[in-house]
Amino acid sequence: GENVEQHPSTLSVQEGDSAVIKCTYSDSASNYFPWYKQELGKRPQLIIDIRSNVGEKKDQRIAVTLNKTAKHFSLHITETQPEDSAVYFCAASDGAAGNKLTFGGGTRVLVKP
Amino acid sequence: GAVVSQHPSRVICKSGTSVKIECRSLDFQATTMFWYRQFPKQSLMLMATSNEGSKATYEQGVEKDKFLINHASLTLSTLTVTSAHPEDSSFYICSARGGTGSMREQYFGPGTRLTVT
Repeated sequence: GENVEQHPSTLSVQEGDSAVIKCTYSDSASNYFPWYKQELGKRPQLIIDIRSNVGEKKDQRIAVTLNKTAKHFSLHITETQPEDSAVYFCAASDGAAGNKLTFGGGTRVLVKP
Repeated sequence: GAVVSQHPSRVICKSGTSVKIECRSLDFQATTMFWYRQFPKQSLMLMATSNEGSKATYEQGVEKDKFLINHASLTLSTLTVTSAHPEDSSFYICSARGGTGSMREQYFGPGTRLTVT
């Protein structure tokens, strides 16, 4: 089955700086890669996603890149703000097994004012 | 956007008892629902996938006789934790997806925090 690795596990940045989180996946059949933001005790919220036919997608301060050949994708947050502090999860869909999502281990982001 | 609710949000039960958690899609028909478990400071681990009207598919290592899943309608799935023990204490989150095709968004419920004493 699919295996998703996420790095780093924790990330501390100064307000205004950029944050980058990287994920790798193992199943070349995966074709959908969402990113979720989860605040303590809350549900994961989809912040951006990318499909396999696209290499990059941007939404205001958030961007995601996908390299299918290398099987890795990254989340970029620019001009970070204290409210960006949360745990971020990447995920990949397993197209051969009911389209379930496999999550990375998560990155705890702390934006220091 | 699509809304998924869960009930209850928190539950405390005694060891050996059973607990039922409901997951509802409020404004769309969920052909597939997923149940996850999340321990503190850890990732979401998929427990099972359920499709309306059919038996759930459990992930390796998840006891299907302990975690009973029922997806009786396109808007409701339930997870029953039977004979709960303290090690079952966790945050249980459902998600729901509608339509067909492999690249469809999952909408998450708010989660249920289960504490077994």
